[in-house]
Amino acid sequence: QVQLQESGPGLVKPSETLSLTCTVSGGSISSYYWGWIRQPPGKGLEWIGYIYYIGSTHYNPSLESRVTIFIDKSKNQFSLKLSSVTAADTAVYYCARLAFDDYVDYWGQGNLVTVSS
Amino acid sequence: SSELTQDPAVSVALGQTVRITCQGDSLRTYYASWYQQKPGQAPIFVIYGKNNRPSGIPDRFSGSSSGDTASLTITGAQAEDEADYYCHSRDSSGYHLVFGGGTKLTVL
Repeated sequence: QVQLQESGPGLVKPSETLSLTCTVSGGSISSYYWGWIRQPPGKGLEWIGYIYYIGSTHYNPSLESRVTIFIDKSKNQFSLKLSSVTAADTAVYYCARLAFDDYVDYWGQGNLVTVSS
Repeated sequence: SSELTQDPAVSVALGQTVRITCQGDSLRTYYASWYQQKPGQAPIFVIYGKNNRPSGIPDRFSGSSSGDTASLTITGAQAEDEADYYCHSRDSSGYHLVFGGGTKLTVL
């Protein structure tokens, strides 16, 4: 059974960079797409972006200038960096596995990140 | 705003049938997948592809599509089905993945 677990700080200061890592267990990261989805409090789900295990990436156009997703196959992990954060970036951040038919079959439990000074 | 449009809220009497819809031009070309999210929990997928249910999802959940609208139907809704439901597919360009705005289902 594949499991995903996010890790990273729960509080980030405005203008700084949000960094999260997702550790994949129960399966190899060397296949599938791996991505990040966020959900502001009380709101809906939003794609941030995803990465294929060979390193090709795809980002949400509204966030593309601030987002980097990268993968570490040796650790079975992938990571998110979101720069120049503001209060609008406060959200639960989920890591997820994206199957080839465009559906998300595994989700992490979510990591609430609050942007505040 | 999302390119996949859902009704914000729908209600259904216990044991009755409810249809949750998702509208978008891209749905003429791409399948939608559907996710159930209960308060404080990560979403889980309940329907993918033409009408496929993952292991463990009750057969009262089914999916369909017609024209620019995809539907999730719950036949004989149960109290535990009360949740937010999100559709998911590609946007009208076909290049980006998007979620619908979500539908809050209340089981009366």
